[in-house]
Amino acid sequence: AQSVTQLGSHVSVSEGALVLLRCNYSSSVPPYLFWYVQYPNQGLQLLLKYTTGATLVKGINGFEAEFKKSETSFHLTKPSAHMSDAAEYFCAVRPTGGGNKLTFGTGTQLKVEL
Amino acid sequence: GAGVSQSPSNKVTEKGKDVELRCDPISGHTALYWYRQSLGQGLEFLIYFQGNSAPDKSGLPSDRFSAERTGGSVSTLTIQRTQQEDSAVYLCASSSYQGAKYNEQFFGPGTRLTVL
Repeated sequence: AQSVTQLGSHVSVSEGALVLLRCNYSSSVPPYLFWYVQYPNQGLQLLLKYTTGATLVKGINGFEAEFKKSETSFHLTKPSAHMSDAAEYFCAVRPTGGGNKLTFGTGTQLKVEL
Repeated sequence: GAGVSQSPSNKVTEKGKDVELRCDPISGHTALYWYRQSLGQGLEFLIYFQGNSAPDKSGLPSDRFSAERTGGSVSTLTIQRTQQEDSAVYLCASSSYQGAKYNEQFFGPGTRLTVL
């Protein structure tokens, strides 16, 4: 079975500082990987995804993530945090073959301080 | 175009009552998914439908939970004899399916269910 682990349920950064949200996956074969963002009282919005090809993936709002097979990681980064980035972020995994159901991590609440 | 819509946005019910939650997927999306988001369990997959195939019900937590998808479009998630532990936000998502590949899942805003 596939799973993802997000280290740190709460992360706080200063505006303008680097954002780093960690995600590690467990899978017998490299899966497809996703980062979603959820703003208060809203549904999930896809930030970026890794399926095949380039391991550095760029997403919306200046976010990017790098798939590292050797570390089974897919950490999310943004060079400079903005107040509007405050939200909850979920890493998710799905198998490359078969169905499309997503398995989510427990989420990381990002707080951006002045 | 319109996104995934869900109704009601909030539902408060009494323990033991049945509830129905509705999801309208994006037009043309053949795959539809239900997830549950709760404080104790995080985001959990419940069920998904793809076209005319038998649904994958592997995430339904008990036989009190069921879902239908009529005409390949609208879906209804039904919870019978609700319990307090059913309190959660129920999220619906849809995606297209092309060339034997699933595309991105688009999520609705969710239905917040509170069981008193």
